[in-house]
Amino acid sequence: NAGVTQTPKFQVLKTGQSMTLQCAQDMNHNSMYWYRQDPGMGLRLIYYSASEGTTDKGEVPNGYNVSRLNKREFSLRLESAAPSQTSVYFCASSAYHLEQYFGPGTRLTVT
Amino acid sequence: AQSVTQLDSQVPVFEEAPVELRCNYSSSVSVYLFWYVQYPNQGLQLLLKYLSGSTLVESINGFEAEFNKSQTSFHLRKPSVHISDTAEYFCAVSEASNTGKLIFGQGTTLQVKP
Repeated sequence: NAGVTQTPKFQVLKTGQSMTLQCAQDMNHNSMYWYRQDPGMGLRLIYYSASEGTTDKGEVPNGYNVSRLNKREFSLRLESAAPSQTSVYFCASSAYHLEQYFGPGTRLTVT
Repeated sequence: AQSVTQLDSQVPVFEEAPVELRCNYSSSVSVYLFWYVQYPNQGLQLLLKYLSGSTLVESINGFEAEFNKSQTSFHLRKPSVHISDTAEYFCAVSEASNTGKLIFGQGTTLQVKP
């Protein structure tokens, strides 16, 4: 069991470029989440998907889009990257409302 | 709306000393409570959780936390810390009837000194 995997691990973008962060889980979980982690602010929810075929906004959705491709995969897209999106991004999954399992993170720098 | 406050951003402590990391939450509904640990350059790992039942919950590596409903707290304790406990600790809350969305505190860095 790989758990939750994320690609890429590191990425540097120029302002205005786009990219997609990939996340996959092999635990047959229904729910998946995208967070960003910034110093002193804990983790903030960007988007989540309670089940396959549904997505909802979290606390900080502006500038992001998501796709729940199937039960295993949940991607996060930055259409036009901004320096304020420099952060560490974590994907997580859970079986309904139980504890969440996190991936190793993607460290994104926007210059 | 729910919120979580971790009262200390950094807690320095000597090895083998006891430690308490404080967490307070606010919510108008029943909640589930979690403590996660993050070692440097890694993702978050679940340390322990309170869903229902006994208000004292324990982890496999000696941490414990007590749910106090009247004080809306979920403080994390360990009677004797090790160097390997150095990490960032996050308290989180979710509504008991929700989709599982977590609200995190700001995090507490535990620095264990030899």
